[in-house]
Amino acid sequence: EVQLLESGGGLVQPGGSLRLSCAASGFSISNFAMNWVRQAPGKGLEWVSSISGGAGSTDYADSVEGRFTISRDVSRNTVYLQMNSLRVEDSAIYYCAKDQFYSSPSRGNCFDPWGQGTLVTVSS
Amino acid sequence: DIQMTQSPSSLSASVGDRVTITCRASQSISNFLNWYQQKPGKGPTLLISAASNLQSGAPSRFSGSGSGTDFTLTISNLQPEDFATYYCQQSYNSPRTFGQGTRLDIK
Repeated sequence: EVQLLESGGGLVQPGGSLRLSCAASGFSISNFAMNWVRQAPGKGLEWVSSISGGAGSTDYADSVEGRFTISRDVSRNTVYLQMNSLRVEDSAIYYCAKDQFYSSPSRGNCFDPWGQGTLVTVSS
Repeated sequence: DIQMTQSPSSLSASVGDRVTITCRASQSISNFLNWYQQKPGKGPTLLISAASNLQSGAPSRFSGSGSGTDFTLTISNLQPEDFATYYCQQSYNSPRTFGQGTRLDIK
């Protein structure tokens, strides 16, 4: 069974850093693109970042470019999101999501499955 | 970025009803449109991909249609477990963008 388990969320002050982890099981992250998607409290979904399965190419939303870094450890089958210079508006539940079929974010892809999420709160 | 607009933002319906949610893209996205269902406290689940491709395990009362800029998600014979929030998402280009969501409540 394919499963994703996020961890690493918590309370951090503005300007601080946090590293999220997404432990995958039931498949190899080297074969699929992986994504982070966030949801602010009571709000909708916002794609944050992706990393391809092959070369590990990365992509970011403009709102986090230069502050967040996505990476992976294939040996641990885990994807990470390093979040620096955090802002109040980064407060959200962060979900990890697997690309259903593709090793890179191709036109027509979709996210399946998703993890249960980890809550990040940025507040003084 | 491609803007995705859903309507309505919220909807009240009864068990057994048929409901339709619409999603409009700010530019043509062919059929590169996915629908997700999210229940409170849970991560989203993929319901329909490529505008009309019902995912394995999803009930046949769910259907999707559309192409270009206008899409619909229809749920016939609503069941208690269908009351949730639904999101559309375009997979035409990056960044992948979502609609604002449609919350479906029990009347």
